[in-house]
Amino acid sequence: KNEVEQSPQNLTAQEGEFITINCSYSVGISALHWLQQHPGGGIVSLFMLSSGKKKHGRLIATINIQEKHSSLHITASHPRDSAVYICAVTLIQGAQKLVFGQGTRLTINP
Amino acid sequence: KAGVTQTPRYLIKTRGQQVTLSCSPISGHRSVSWYQQTPGQGLQFLFEYFSETQRNKGNFPGRFSGRQFSNSRSEMNVSTLELGDSALYLCASRITGGGSYEQYFGPGTRLTVT
Repeated sequence: KNEVEQSPQNLTAQEGEFITINCSYSVGISALHWLQQHPGGGIVSLFMLSSGKKKHGRLIATINIQEKHSSLHITASHPRDSAVYICAVTLIQGAQKLVFGQGTRLTINP
Repeated sequence: KAGVTQTPRYLIKTRGQQVTLSCSPISGHRSVSWYQQTPGQGLQFLFEYFSETQRNKGNFPGRFSGRQFSNSRSEMNVSTLELGDSALYLCASRITGGGSYEQYFGPGTRLTVT
């Protein structure tokens, strides 16, 4: 079992829909990250969370430390939101390395 | 501030050759981490450098190595290339201290081994 699991793996929706991507982890973490990767490869950090909730524009990220679960929400989705969204965690023990989920490929159709 | 830069952006090598990739972190960032991304394995941690020292290493063979210079620029080297080394190689930098875990990624180097 992977230390970081995301669902769904693929998601197709219509423009304007509310999107939720889930992430569960099985290890102790110092922080959880949501990343966005567009075709071509570049990765952008959307959020870094250690508790609670953060909002940036139409994007909202929440984390429940007790349940070891995080969600990324996109409100009023737009075709430009189409990308791969990756959940990653910084382990609490030792290394400052990131451990990644497999990613969620999101396609928003106009 | 300029972002993380990686050179070259694209590279084609043949099996058995060796390759060196370069990463320049954001000014003031002293930690540089390297990651490999493949369709089958996703993103995997290679190693992290801080103050010219390797602090952590992922589960990769010894053919993968790296170093960091006094100006925090980092290089990674892969020797005796194999077809399976074809991947996108990403580096990321971060400020260290104060519990700062946020990493800033470069655009990546896409390596194709033929």
